[in-house]
Amino acid sequence: GAGVSQSPSNKVTEKGKDVELRCDPISGHTALYWYRQSLGQGLEFLIYFQGNSAPDKSGLPSDRFSAERTGGSVSTLTIQRTQQEDSAVYLCASSPRPTYNEQFFGPGTRLTVL
Amino acid sequence: GQQVMQIPQYQHVQEGEDFTTYCNSSTTLSNIQWYKQRPGGHPVFLIQLVKSGEVKKQKRLTFQFGEAKKNSSLHITATQTTDVGTYFCVNAGGTSYGKLTFGQGTILTVHP
Repeated sequence: GAGVSQSPSNKVTEKGKDVELRCDPISGHTALYWYRQSLGQGLEFLIYFQGNSAPDKSGLPSDRFSAERTGGSVSTLTIQRTQQEDSAVYLCASSPRPTYNEQFFGPGTRLTVL
Repeated sequence: GQQVMQIPQYQHVQEGEDFTTYCNSSTTLSNIQWYKQRPGGHPVFLIQLVKSGEVKKQKRLTFQFGEAKKNSSLHITATQTTDVGTYFCVNAGGTSYGKLTFGQGTILTVHP
């Protein structure tokens, strides 16, 4: 079946612009996670959604970052007034339920802020 | 979740040689996962370890969880070029909902 999809695959933007990154989780997966991976680094947790519960936003690095999950499916990560240090690959993952053994990752969006 | 430390950061081997990466935590972990990320790809789940002293095998890969549940290792026997990538150990037990705390990873290069 279809895996996690993300769009766009690449995004180049100018410093100070806003960007939106989209994630389509695997159908039926209730848990959705966003991570960030800077060049040559491990993944850094950003935010978690589960059903209609309040999201865990504890990993968002600043108030310029926000995320939504509409209808328990598609999620959008928004970065306002982008900075050069925001350049990274943004990865979305989903799982059938919280604490399921495995998280299924999408291909990521590579964000470059000039 | 508790940060996990991985060593080595890089490993170069000749095809056919063995490879081991180690993961350590200063506190007891409820469980640990291993993921592999191919160059240019996304992380792919390999395995989860839960029990103290647990050993699991997947073909040429052997995963261990320490008796004190503070360390883990991944050993690959007779590496192949398809083993190239970054191997991450991951603390998966820091929350009730599966938040993953990744180690820095070990980048494996296999020379044919």
